Amino acid sequence: ETGVTQTPRHLVMGMTNKKSLKCEQHLGHNAMYWYKQSAKKPLELMFVYNFKEQTENNSVPSRFSPECPNSSHLFLHLHTLQPEDSALYLCASSQDPLVAGELFFGEGSRLTVL
Amino acid sequence: AQSVAQPEDQVNVAEGNPLTVKCTYSVSGNPYLFWYVQYPNRGLQFLLKYITGDNLVKGSYGFEAEFNKSQTSFHLKKPSALVSDSALYFCAVRDMDSNYQLIWGAGTKLIIKP
Repeated sequence: ETGVTQTPRHLVMGMTNKKSLKCEQHLGHNAMYWYKQSAKKPLELMFVYNFKEQTENNSVPSRFSPECPNSSHLFLHLHTLQPEDSALYLCASSQDPLVAGELFFGEGSRLTVL
Repeated sequence: AQSVAQPEDQVNVAEGNPLTVKCTYSVSGNPYLFWYVQYPNRGLQFLLKYITGDNLVKGSYGFEAEFNKSQTSFHLKKPSALVSDSALYFCAVRDMDSNYQLIWGAGTKLIIKP
């Protein structure tokens, strides 16, 4: 198993659908993150979880709903999305968000909203 | 305001030549600086970081970066480019005196031509 695994790798959904993105990390880390990556733009931090507790929510619209049942799993529930939400969604983990250690990223879930 | 700038959208280098990918930053406190690489259809991978100490930092795949406090720069370098170095490179900074979020650059596409 690779360090951080994301499923599905590709997702196409209509604006009225409900879907979820899943992330699992096998590194024993305590912190997990969701990032949004759009072409030629800086990565946008969406949510941070530290020891299963949400510590950051960067003004993300409520149509994105995160869930972190334990330190190894992170979900991003999606509903009534807009076409501008089409992007690559990256999950990452780290040992501790307060320490300047590196982030370990999954390969991403490419989301297309029709 | 904290920020990271990668002034070049794309850098083209011939194989075997030295390469430089530029990054400048603006933070109010002491910076922690990072470089990540993203290969096509993959997540981001950590390359190197500057926390403190020697201004020249060595990282993965033969890359190095030089921290220049007076110029607020952290340029990524490699003495001899390989075609396999072609990828998207991201610079990020963390202001350890204010908060622990990473501020990301928009990325620079590096193309190494045979």
